[in-house]
Amino acid sequence: NAGVTQTPKFQVLKTGQSMTLQCAQDMNHEYMSWYRQDPGMGLRLIHYSVGAGITDQGEVPNGYNVSRSTTEDFPLRLLSAAPSQTSVYFCASSAGTSGSPYFGPGTRLTVT
Amino acid sequence: DAKTTQPPSMDCAEGRAANLPCNHSTISGNEYVYWYRQIHSQGPQYIIHGLKNNETNEMASLIITEDRKSSTLILPHATLRDTAVYYCIVRGGTGANSKLTFGKGITLSVRP
Repeated sequence: NAGVTQTPKFQVLKTGQSMTLQCAQDMNHEYMSWYRQDPGMGLRLIHYSVGAGITDQGEVPNGYNVSRSTTEDFPLRLLSAAPSQTSVYFCASSAGTSGSPYFGPGTRLTVT
Repeated sequence: DAKTTQPPSMDCAEGRAANLPCNHSTISGNEYVYWYRQIHSQGPQYIIHGLKNNETNEMASLIITEDRKSSTLILPHATLRDTAVYYCIVRGGTGANSKLTFGKGITLSVRP
């Protein structure tokens, strides 16, 4: 199993550009989520999904969209990038809402 | 989810046990205690979790007080590779809102 994979590892955007961060898992996990981590801070939940076709907002959802068309994939879309979205983004998955989440390696995003 | 309180940092000597404390005085009956760690800028790594009984796995032991208001993560023989930020998290057991809320964690430094 590859576990949770994220692409790209690094990305630089200009303000106003849009892009999609990819997340995939091969463990058949129902629950997937996106977090962001700013310097010196803990992780904050952006969006989560309890299964294909079902998504919901977390703590800091503004400026981000998600969709879950398959069990394996949970992409995160930045609609119009802003410097405040400069952060490291982690995707996680777990077997059900009470399973122990496994995290991907992260995507380091810089918005100039 | 109940909040947790951890000291910002601690250190220990290589080969000795590292005891990482966590207070969660507002924990409710169905909430679990989870521990994750983050080495450098990697994705958080699951360590262990428990409800009220002490737990042990190949990585660590988790000791939860009888009133469940505090817990201790024990790394029995710390190595330099255990230097990381350790997060103590209280999480509701089930449901779509059963998510991890990360604080700032405790930075463990293992010295040679």
